[in-house]
Amino acid sequence: GQQVMQIPQYQHVQEGEDFTTYCNSSTTLSNIQWYKQRPGGHPVFLIQLVKSGEVKKQKRLTFQFGEAKKNSSLHITATQTTDVGTYFCAGSGANNLFFGTGTRLTVIP
Amino acid sequence: DAGITQSPRHKVTETGTPVTLRCHQTENHRYMYWYRQDPGHGLRLIHYSYGVKDTDKGEVSDGYSVSRSKTEDFLLTLESATSSQTSVYFCAIRSGASTNTEAFFGQGTRLTVV
Repeated sequence: GQQVMQIPQYQHVQEGEDFTTYCNSSTTLSNIQWYKQRPGGHPVFLIQLVKSGEVKKQKRLTFQFGEAKKNSSLHITATQTTDVGTYFCAGSGANNLFFGTGTRLTVIP
Repeated sequence: DAGITQSPRHKVTETGTPVTLRCHQTENHRYMYWYRQDPGHGLRLIHYSYGVKDTDKGEVSDGYSVSRSKTEDFLLTLESATSSQTSVYFCAIRSGASTNTEAFFGQGTRLTVV
C-alpha cells in the first residue's frame, strides 16, 4: 500500500530558530499536500504542490516537491510560538488521501 | 470552516458494544473519509467514500464498517468496540480526488473504549 513517512517525529526549537520536516513516499506522487494541526484542533490545509521540483512560499514557510515527486519538505524560517502544532504531508491515491506520520513542532519562547 | 460536523464529539463506551459515529456535511462534496489519529501513527485512513453507496477500505479497516446512503452523511460503525479502537476519529471531505482539491476536516470525535 501507499506509505508516506515523515521525519522527525518530534522537534523542539527555540523561538527564532529554523525548522524543517521531511516527507518521503515509497511511490511517485501525483501531488502532495501539507496540513497543520494545532494542539487540540483538526488538520487544516496549508498548500498543495503538483509539479516536479516545485517550490512555494507562504511568508516564513517554504515548501518543496522533489524532482522525482517522491519527497517533499516544509521549512519554517525564524519560528514563532504560533507555529506550534503537528505538520502533516499527504498524497493522493485513487480516490483516497493518505497522510504521513506527522512532525510535532514545539517552540520554546 | 467548511460545513462539516461530527457527532458525538466525545464518547465513552464499553468493550463489546456497537458504536456509530456520524459525519455530516453541507458542502455537497463527493468524497468523504474517516481517519483515526493515534500518537506516533499520524492520521490513518479507515474507510472512504467516493459517492453515495460507493465506499472502499483504507489501511486500518478491520473492525470498522461504513455507510453512505446520502451525499451529506457518512457513518462509521464499530460493530463490537475494543480497547484498541480508543482514538480520536476525524472525518474529512473533498470535492474531488484529482489535484487542486484540499480536504476539510471535522472537529474530531474522541472515543474511549473501557
